[in-house]
Amino acid sequence: DAGVIQSPRHEVTEMGQEVTLRCKPISGHNSLFWYRQTMMRGLELLIYFNNNVPIDDSGMPEDRFSAKMPNASFSTLKIQPSEPRDSAVYFCASRRTGYTGELFFGEGSRLTVL
Amino acid sequence: EDQVTQSPEALRLQEGESSSLNCSYTVSGLRGLFWYRQDPGKGPEFLFTLYSAGEEKEKERLKATLTKKESFLHITAPKPEDSATYLCAVQDAGRRALTFGSGTRLQVQP
Repeated sequence: DAGVIQSPRHEVTEMGQEVTLRCKPISGHNSLFWYRQTMMRGLELLIYFNNNVPIDDSGMPEDRFSAKMPNASFSTLKIQPSEPRDSAVYFCASRRTGYTGELFFGEGSRLTVL
Repeated sequence: EDQVTQSPEALRLQEGESSSLNCSYTVSGLRGLFWYRQDPGKGPEFLFTLYSAGEEKEKERLKATLTKKESFLHITAPKPEDSATYLCAVQDAGRRALTFGSGTRLQVQP
């Protein structure tokens, strides 16, 4: 099993630029989560999908953030325009049906906005 | 709003020196409490699920316990390879996503 795959691993961009983070969940997992991790705020849920449908996006900071899951094997998190305060590590995680809290995390995408 | 507080923020132990990490939580209805381990530059890795007060789970040198207000992760005779950040998370009965605490950074010195 390849695990959850995220890309890019590192991204450095300038304020105002568009950023797209990508995630491939584990095959057969039907829930997908995007989390953001910073030193100040720890791991925060941004959005999660169940069967490709967004269920809870209450953690999305503002309209600059958007997430899509066009099919069961791919999701994107987009920030447009990016700001320095968006600098963080963004994690994608997936979960099998019925396995409540057992999330499988990717290795994260470290975003630096200058 | 769900709240998870972990203590201490950081802990340094000598190899073989047992200790405990604490996770206190506030939820309207607990569906589950979870422990994860996170190594530097990696994503969190699942360790345990606890569902009800009195429940215990063990894995190698780790044992997790749960009461109605808190959970403990006991580390017995730790080794340097146990060094990591340990995260606690809760799932409210009304939500499917997890709320994480800020973690305890554990360093075990040889």
